Amino acid sequence: GENVEQHPSTLSVQEGDSAVIKCTYSDSASNYFPWYKQELGKRPQLIIDIRSNVGEKKDQRIAVTLNKTAKHFSLHITETQPEDSAVYFCAAITGGATNKLIFGTGTLLAVQP
Amino acid sequence: NAGVTQTPKFQVLKTGQSMTLQCAQDMNHEYMSWYRQDPGMGLRLIHYSVGAGITDQGEVPNGYNVSRSTTEDFPLRLLSAAPSQTSVYFCASSRSTGGSGYGYTFGSGTRLTVV
Repeated sequence: GENVEQHPSTLSVQEGDSAVIKCTYSDSASNYFPWYKQELGKRPQLIIDIRSNVGEKKDQRIAVTLNKTAKHFSLHITETQPEDSAVYFCAAITGGATNKLIFGTGTLLAVQP
Repeated sequence: NAGVTQTPKFQVLKTGQSMTLQCAQDMNHEYMSWYRQDPGMGLRLIHYSVGAGITDQGEVPNGYNVSRSTTEDFPLRLLSAAPSQTSVYFCASSRSTGGSGYGYTFGSGTRLTVV
């Protein structure tokens, strides 16, 4: 079945440094890749997404890159701040019209002040 | 516009009991899904629906039933609760155009404990 792998499971950075989270997916027909941020005790919130016809997308301090050939996509956070501390999930829509969203196992990002 | 509404927020069940987790959305979204979240395992898809009257299984469907009689509602039924079903359950909905997919909006979750 479809699978999304996410690394690392935990990431600790100093405030102001960059953070990178990487994911791979198994379904070559996947065409949509969202990233979610989940703060403790709260619901996941969509922070950025990318479609299969785009290689990179930026939104202020966050960016996502996609390599369809390698089936890799990554989240980049620059100039990290303590409020970036949270669990981040990557996900992939499976191919076809089902809009079935499969998640990675999450990365706990800790930004040290 | 309330978004995705889940009830109850907390629930304690005894082993063997049944219950229904409610989920409703007011955004006229076609797609709805149920996930469970366990420590270290991310969000795992239980069941999903691509429209009223259409449901399908996700990654971990055993022990759960769903139905989708209206666009707005997508209840999740636990048939006979087991301690392994202790988890946080999230309902989510999404619009879609031409199967290309859009991000899901999540409800606030139901924390379920089975004793």
